[in-house]
Amino acid sequence: EIVLTQSPGTLSLSPGERATLSCWASQSVSSSHLAWYQQKPGLAPRLLIYGASGRATGIPDRFSGSGSGTDFTLTISRLEPEDFAVYYCQQYGSSPRTFGQGTKVEIK
Amino acid sequence: EVQLLESGGGLVQPGGSLRLSCAASGFTLSSYAMSWVRQAPGKGLEWVSAISGSGGTTYYADSVKGRFTISRDSSKNTLYLQMNSLRAEDTALYYCAKDPRKVGLPSYFDYWGQGTLVTVSS
Repeated sequence: EIVLTQSPGTLSLSPGERATLSCWASQSVSSSHLAWYQQKPGLAPRLLIYGASGRATGIPDRFSGSGSGTDFTLTISRLEPEDFAVYYCQQYGSSPRTFGQGTKVEIK
Repeated sequence: EVQLLESGGGLVQPGGSLRLSCAASGFTLSSYAMSWVRQAPGKGLEWVSAISGSGGTTYYADSVKGRFTISRDSSKNTLYLQMNSLRAEDTALYYCAKDPRKVGLPSYFDYWGQGTLVTVSS
């Protein structure tokens, strides 16, 4: 099973700042089969990024994903008030599908 | 518009059973891989089970294998999760989630329901 480790656990930033979230895999994720989700309190997760760098439908271009192998990054170029949430990475390159433990982006 | 609506959650004693349902609208459920993903209170996401879009092949996390069964009813456009021998550690919000692909192994999830809460406690 591929274990995904996200860092930091919590990121304290101000609106307008840049957020950089990391996701490390215990083994190489084949074909960059990595997705990112955003989850706000009381709501279901929302798909942001698939294939490591593809933006899902309707996702603003301030969200971008990069990386390959075992090292992946989600970048939010300029934080908007609605971006403060928990973010999860998920690999789908091997079974079972696994998620990272999440990074909380909070208002500083 | 794609919508997923889960139901069937509730309070059940350890060792008990529960069947969750996920009614889909806006797409043909049997054409896509579908999964159940759970989230324990205050915790992260855990993939539980999936059914492929084409042949109905099923997949399970080790933590539920032999206890949970995923299925679907094409005539009702509904996904199910039969949960037997429930344990306290199965307590979670259970989401059904749609795969964007029609063929191949379950991958990532482009639509999610709002979840149904399962509480296993005596």
